[in-house]
Amino acid sequence: QSVLTQPPSASGTPGQRVTISCSGSSSNLGSNTVNWYQQVPGTAPRLLISSNDQRPSGVPDRFSGSKSGTSGSLAISGLRSEDEADYYCASWDDSLNGFAVFGGGTHLTVL
Amino acid sequence: EVQLLESGGGLVQPGGSLRLSCAASGFSFSSYAMTWVRQAPGKGLEWVSAIDPSGGGTYYADSVRGRFTISRDNSKNTLYLRMSSLRAEDTALYYCARGLDIVATRPSCDYWGQGTLVTISS
Repeated sequence: QSVLTQPPSASGTPGQRVTISCSGSSSNLGSNTVNWYQQVPGTAPRLLISSNDQRPSGVPDRFSGSKSGTSGSLAISGLRSEDEADYYCASWDDSLNGFAVFGGGTHLTVL
Repeated sequence: EVQLLESGGGLVQPGGSLRLSCAASGFSFSSYAMTWVRQAPGKGLEWVSAIDPSGGGTYYADSVRGRFTISRDNSKNTLYLRMSSLRAEDTALYYCARGLDIVATRPSCDYWGQGTLVTISS
């Protein structure tokens, strides 16, 4: 069980807007930023969002991120078939020695 | 073009050791934090370890602390992960990834290798 909690699955139809949540605690999301990754099966992860809401170069503006308190959120608008993938949130946790954590992942299905 | 190429994976018996390498090219290696992330077959991503640009700051997941050692050779543009006392649960695809900047305590990795597979089995 991951320190960051994500729904195991999400779905939407082409053109729709979907959101994926990431719930943490005061030691991680409550005091550190959230990052989001996309992973198409069989490929390496791709950074979608850093520092809560920053899109790296090359990431479409259909992807957006936010954070409030101990929860983060990834929104995908104008859903496309190629968005079908696994999505992971990640953050730093200040507990004990400090470590990074990933959420358990959310599989997004484009219907 | 930024490239990260992992090597050193393989089949090892429980209790054994292995050293993974990640050869970096296309960027100023000594200016970036680096991270190892693993993914067990059919499972999610698990952060393993990170190191700051100088190598002076290292960080580990509880699951590997005391058994794994991260290091880097900036003169060779290479990241390493020395793994010992290996267990079946260490079986995974191990990815090397570049941090966005010098901060090793921020899991924002913008470039990833394709991974090297480590299998722990007797």
